[in-house]
Amino acid sequence: TQLLEQSPQFLSIQEGENLTVYCNSSSVFSSLQWYRQEPGEGPVLLVTVVTGGEVKKLKRLTFQFGDARKDSSLHITAAQPGDTGLYLCAGINTGTASKLTFGTGTRLQVTL
Amino acid sequence: DTGVSQDPRHKITKRGQNVTFRCDPISEHNRLYWYRQTLGQGPEFLTYFQNEAQLEKSRLLSDRFSAERPKGSFSTLEIQRTEQGDSAMYLCASNTGGRNIQYFGAGTRLSVL
Repeated sequence: TQLLEQSPQFLSIQEGENLTVYCNSSSVFSSLQWYRQEPGEGPVLLVTVVTGGEVKKLKRLTFQFGDARKDSSLHITAAQPGDTGLYLCAGINTGTASKLTFGTGTRLQVTL
Repeated sequence: DTGVSQDPRHKITKRGQNVTFRCDPISEHNRLYWYRQTLGQGPEFLTYFQNEAQLEKSRLLSDRFSAERPKGSFSTLEIQRTEQGDSAMYLCASNTGGRNIQYFGAGTRLSVL
């Protein structure tokens, strides 16, 4: 059973548009990570957020961790075709040996 | 640093056959994880090792599944009497204890006919 729900499940936009992906849970996590996965490859870590309310920026990507550490969002500004992929959030709890609980995933397609 | 490697990349088998996958982690990493990912979904945790000790197994890991990491280096995941529901991508990841960054392999895609 997945404890992290992502929305939307699928997003198809044109180059230059902005988008936001949401990751919601009823559980509190000690930290949350965002990954991007391309077809036929494993997930690659984008960012880790640890503190409630934390905002991190990675070029055109902005990540936010909710105050209660139950939810997170990923905002992409001026999307590019290279942003296409499956975006996954993953929660970590202290004392679980870094075991990841992944979200349901958001598939993003950016077209010219 | 060659990254995490998995072999084979693809496996097609008939229902009822046994299959074995191999994962070679990054050399200095003492923790190794297995996840299963079905199409369009996020990966689900199966099991993890610290060195050669298997410290946790998910309820998803039925009796037909067994994982080993005999010398604390590479790991194998065996599925006995495969079923069509076992069709998925099996991902391996490794990291160093105390760090929350996991490095994933490219996975083994299993198709059970």
